Amino acid sequence: DVVMTQSPLSLPVTLGQPASISCRSSQRLVFSDGITYLNWFQQRPGQSPRRLIYKVSNRDSGVPDRFSGSGSGSDFTLKISRVEAEDVGVYYCMQATHWPPYTFGQGTKLEIK
Amino acid sequence: EVQLVESGGGLVQPGGSLRLSCAASGFTFNSYWMSWVRQAPGKGLEWVANIKQDGSEKHYVDSVKGRFTISRDNAKNSLYLQMNSLRAEDTAVYYCARDWPADRFDYWGQGTLVTVSS
Repeated sequence: DVVMTQSPLSLPVTLGQPASISCRSSQRLVFSDGITYLNWFQQRPGQSPRRLIYKVSNRDSGVPDRFSGSGSGSDFTLKISRVEAEDVGVYYCMQATHWPPYTFGQGTKLEIK
Repeated sequence: EVQLVESGGGLVQPGGSLRLSCAASGFTFNSYWMSWVRQAPGKGLEWVANIKQDGSEKHYVDSVKGRFTISRDNAKNSLYLQMNSLRAEDTAVYYCARDWPADRFDYWGQGTLVTVSS
């Protein structure tokens, strides 16, 4: 199974400052069709997960443009340009290239300093 | 509006069984693979199983193979997870989520809590 490793696991950020989360996979995530199936999810306290980014860099509808995804191969990043209070929660990366199973990272907990 | 509503969770003894349901609305259910994803208390997300549009293909995480069965009823727009031989480590909130071709998990339900304890 593909292991997804996120860092940091805890991310204290000052309001208005940028934040960055790294996600590394144990195998390259390019599928045979040339597409990289790497998604990012946000889970606010007490809520269900919400997809933010699909296929590395595509933002879902309604997701603020301060969120961006990038990366290739086995190294990926989620960036928040200016953190707002509503961004508090846990962020997960997930690969859907080498499945089954789909695998998630351990999660990165973003909090406000 | 896409909606996924899970039900069927509860307290069950180790070795017992439970059947979860997920009622889907707001989209053409039989056009999508569907998945179950779980989250143990205070832990991360774990994909459990998924099923093809017509039910002809199913996949499971190793830890539930032989114990859990995913199924669907397209006439009722419903997804199911039959869970047998339950263990304490199966305690989690279980979410249903829309899978492929929605690029995996664009919509999630609110979850249903399964607690396995004596």
